[in-house]
Amino acid sequence: SYELTQPPSVSVPPRQTASITCSGDKLGTLYVSWYQQKPGQSPVLVIYHDDERPSGIPERFSGSNSGGTATLTISGAQAMDDGIYYCQAWDSSTVLLGGGTTLTVL
Amino acid sequence: QVTLRESGPALVKPTQTLKLTCTFSGFSFNTGDMCVSWIRQPPGKALEWLALIDWDGDKYYSASLKSRLTVSRDTSKNEVVLTMSDMDPADTATFYCARMYASGTYSYYFDYWGQGIQVTVSS
Repeated sequence: SYELTQPPSVSVPPRQTASITCSGDKLGTLYVSWYQQKPGQSPVLVIYHDDERPSGIPERFSGSNSGGTATLTISGAQAMDDGIYYCQAWDSSTVLLGGGTTLTVL
Repeated sequence: QVTLRESGPALVKPTQTLKLTCTFSGFSFNTGDMCVSWIRQPPGKALEWLALIDWDGDKYYSASLKSRLTVSRDTSKNEVVLTMSDMDPADTATFYCARMYASGTYSYYFDYWGQGIQVTVSS
């Protein structure tokens, strides 16, 4: 089955830029969304349609998708951005989900 | 205001069938482009998509679990029901329902999530 691959963890000092990748063979032909999940909470949509931000999501969150890799970028990461981030796409009537990346801002 | 709420048993026995209900408000299937999906998350593990029902009533399932899942809806009650048969302790998880917005043919994303319901499978 088609899979989306994410690194297990990413660490970044405060106020630096964090990049979380999501890879898949034909990912560049699909639209990618990203979700943030904090412990004990439901996931929250932070990016959809590759690079669109829902209302209420800070401008420091951005996304891109090219070739076989989608990237979530958090510019000027803050401690509140800690959490697990999941990428997601829709392909052939199936929801694809990445395995999640734990972001630590430290 | 869009809300979704999962309900069902917190504990089921092995081999039993789990039935969960997602009750939603703030949107309807009649407007089109709206789907309701089920996702689960075992303790400490990643999200796993299970099933989806769309505005036309079409149903889609995870290939690996398709034989055990059934999703249905009651549009008059704004409810979506998931049943999962032959439950096993490995199915212990938090189950979420979420609204999935279909923005065109290829852009489907979860824009609203329920709070989740913890389901434990144990004898």
